[in-house]
Amino acid sequence: AQSVAQPEDQVNVAEGNPLTVKCTYSVSGNPYLFWYVQYPNRGLQFLLKYITGDNLVKGSYGFEAEFNKSQTSFHLKKPSALVSDSALYFCAVRDRDGGYQKVTFGIGTKLQVIP
Amino acid sequence: DTGVSQNPRHKITKRGQNVTFRCDPISEHNRLYWYRQTLGQGPEFLTYFQNEAQLEKSRLLSDRFSAERPKGSFSTLEIQRTEQGDSAMYLCASSLGGQVGSYNSPLHFGNGTRLTVT
Repeated sequence: AQSVAQPEDQVNVAEGNPLTVKCTYSVSGNPYLFWYVQYPNRGLQFLLKYITGDNLVKGSYGFEAEFNKSQTSFHLKKPSALVSDSALYFCAVRDRDGGYQKVTFGIGTKLQVIP
Repeated sequence: DTGVSQNPRHKITKRGQNVTFRCDPISEHNRLYWYRQTLGQGPEFLTYFQNEAQLEKSRLLSDRFSAERPKGSFSTLEIQRTEQGDSAMYLCASSLGGQVGSYNSPLHFGNGTRLTVT
């Protein structure tokens, strides 16, 4: 079984400040990890992924995420938040060793960037 | 790359009616997924196709739900005898798969079909 936890329903941050959106995961084997962003009435857009190698991965729009195997975490970060970053963010996991293609999503974290 | 297209964008139906949604994936993508998203929740996996073969189905997918991908291109999701609990956003996604290194291919989502059952 695989699962994702996003412990914060909402994160508020002032424009220009760094932001972090938290994610922890659970898989039987090794994980593929993803972050997606969703704007109102739209589908999800891919931001970045962790496959293997460097624990810090960089993605679209200046976002990055840090994989921590011991803490089973994959937190999303950005050094300086923009108002346009306000959206719903989803962390997702797929068990690399599970033989399945299903990607499991968290419940999402609403990011509000305050001007 | 014209993106994943879903039709219709919105569907309002009365309880007990049947509805069908269509998804056109990115043309070179051989994998296609259906997800359901309700308010305040993340997308929940429903089913997955590789080409025309339906390889995984969630236990969420009751007998009233059926999905097809007859020629390995577009897909349809049909819900029979709709219930109010079926009201949700139905998302389709596609990806490349089957090649070396493709297991990490991200999903490309359409904008969804919002179903309201009255």
